[in-house]
Amino acid sequence: SQTIHQWPATLVQPVGSPLSLECTVEGTSNPNLYWYRQAAGRGLQLLFYSVGIGQISSEVPQNLSASRPQDRQFILSSKKLLLSDSGFYLCAWSLGIHEQYFGPGTRLTVT
Amino acid sequence: AQSVAQPEDQVNVAEGNPLTVKCTYSVSGNPYLFWYVQYPNRGLQFLLKYITGDNLVKGSYGFEAEFNKSQTSFHLKKPSALVSDSALYFCAVTGGGGSTLGRLYFGRGTQLTVWP
Repeated sequence: SQTIHQWPATLVQPVGSPLSLECTVEGTSNPNLYWYRQAAGRGLQLLFYSVGIGQISSEVPQNLSASRPQDRQFILSSKKLLLSDSGFYLCAWSLGIHEQYFGPGTRLTVT
Repeated sequence: AQSVAQPEDQVNVAEGNPLTVKCTYSVSGNPYLFWYVQYPNRGLQFLLKYITGDNLVKGSYGFEAEFNKSQTSFHLKKPSALVSDSALYFCAVTGGGGSTLGRLYFGRGTQLTVWP
């Protein structure tokens, strides 16, 4: 069966510090991968998606970047965090146009 | 453009009563529709989907949803609510149209509260 992992689960970082969040998927090959941010426990904002290694599309220009160094690994990064980067970050995977499956999320607080 | 509307921010229902969480959509082409549930500080869990076929779709935890093409709706229902159903519910849509991406458009979510 497929599983998706995210780490860390929680993170508190000062403004201006770098960020690296990691997501890995097991039990499937060549998945589509997604990064979302959820603010204030409500709506989901799609940040990045990837249909293959090294292929990243950005939905919203901002202080973040994403990379996919391996087929089942998706990394969200920032060189300098802003207060507005605080939120709940969710990674998800899908096979084609089928349903997405979400990881447990990372709670990021920028202080 | 593709979009989803969940007209109710909050739905309250007594345990044992039927519940409905509303969703309407706008999409080019045939819609693929999904419902997700989110418990506090957790990721989203997939509940059910409509791709084609029978308009009534059954999913996890006793939930079902009815696809209505003429009303462009996909309401989530359950005949008898449980306190443990209290959570945030998201409707999502993607257009078919031969796309392989699966980019989902989410509604803003509806907070369901079931009181004992």
